[in-house]
Amino acid sequence: DGGITQSPKYLFRKEGQNVTLSCEQNLNHDAMYWYRQDPGQGLRLIYYSQIVNDFQKGDIAEGYSVSREKKESFPLTVTSAQKNPTAFYLCASSKQGAYEQYFGPGTRLTVT
Amino acid sequence: GQNIDQPTEMTATEGAIVQINCTYQTSGFNGLFWYQQHAGEAPTFLSYNVLDGLEEKGRFSSFLSRSKGYSYLLLKELQMKDSASYLCAVRSQAAGNKLTFGGGTRVLVKP
Repeated sequence: DGGITQSPKYLFRKEGQNVTLSCEQNLNHDAMYWYRQDPGQGLRLIYYSQIVNDFQKGDIAEGYSVSREKKESFPLTVTSAQKNPTAFYLCASSKQGAYEQYFGPGTRLTVT
Repeated sequence: GQNIDQPTEMTATEGAIVQINCTYQTSGFNGLFWYQQHAGEAPTFLSYNVLDGLEEKGRFSSFLSRSKGYSYLLLKELQMKDSASYLCAVRSQAAGNKLTFGGGTRVLVKP
């Protein structure tokens, strides 16, 4: 079955550590996105990539980094520079153009 | 910039109808999406409007007025499983065709 996978579902880290969240899709979508969601709030765009080896900052990119070495994969690194990293992180993908985005199941990151 | 407003919370009775409004301000409007999100889960796509009018899909309908910067999602014959958050998102050419999401409307369906 085609879809988007994110792992792990829950992740716990100590403050000061970098952590990488994985996102893989086998939908053959060109575009991929990372969002952050805080309790009771909407989604905010962190980074997005429309083609391999290219990505752009979203609205809240500070303290995060990404790479897009393969079409299927778009990992997100939450660095120690991110001041409030505890959140629900959602990865999405879409075809190029004005199409809907499909979301992965999300990773809930807790940093203490 | 872009601004998207929707009510924070709504309550309705099983079997009834609920209308969730969404107003937006954006330049280069290129479509409006509605997503459903159950607590702790990923959003799932419900509807897409790019032209004015009503799009009907089973119990769910979505309406768009571009001149008013207004959309609504209509949920009919409410079921308990419809209790979820409903996210309005706007695509803008001026913003590189990215989606900007509203804060979401939490709908609670009571028996």
